[in-house]
Amino acid sequence: GAGVSQSPRYKVAKRGQDVALRCDPISGHVSLFWYQQALGQGPEFLTYFQNEAQLDKSGLPSDRFFAERPEGSVSTLKIQRTQQEDSAVYLCASSSPGLAGYEQYFGPGTRLTVT
Amino acid sequence: QQQVKQSPQSLIVQKGGISIINCAYENTAFDYFPWYQQFPGKGPALLIAIRPDVSEKKEGRFTISFNKSAKQFSLHIMDSQPGDSATYFCAASEGSARQLTFGSGTQLTVLP
Repeated sequence: GAGVSQSPRYKVAKRGQDVALRCDPISGHVSLFWYQQALGQGPEFLTYFQNEAQLDKSGLPSDRFFAERPEGSVSTLKIQRTQQEDSAVYLCASSSPGLAGYEQYFGPGTRLTVT
Repeated sequence: QQQVKQSPQSLIVQKGGISIINCAYENTAFDYFPWYQQFPGKGPALLIAIRPDVSEKKEGRFTISFNKSAKQFSLHIMDSQPGDSATYFCAASEGSARQLTFGSGTQLTVLP
């Protein structure tokens, strides 16, 4: 596709349930980022992949959060035992080195609501 | 710890006016400063970006002004239009780390 896609667009989970959020980056983009955006706030970094390697996971808020990108393309962000404070929009972005430099292109996000 | 401070939180401008949003940063290792536009229910979309080796960059109605010594940068939207009404985020990143540190956002409303 032409842009970054994410699924599902909306997810409602009961507290304690596990969820999995999917990101399809722009074809050929080697870098993939996950961000968390709370209501009315700017996105906050969660984790970063270069191809299949997770190079930085310093932003993951707890060990309940796990991300993977096994084949260097699609990525999944998994949240175990969801809590109410996990409610947010989860954004995925991709980029690729080149003349454009550091530009990151964002998907539409997945809005997670934990009840 | 907020590394990128953005102001104002909200801004109302008349059609045809100039919208100005300001950001200040603390980390002198930041070397890339983009601005993103976000509409409700959508992901942020890259508007314009600047590196610290230039003091100004213009693309159409959008201009970034950059003051390295003051560690500040701003977005100017000339001839603002109602379709520009959205939330604007400044951001910064450092070298190969690449992850963006965002400001808290400015909700812009352009009145017809």
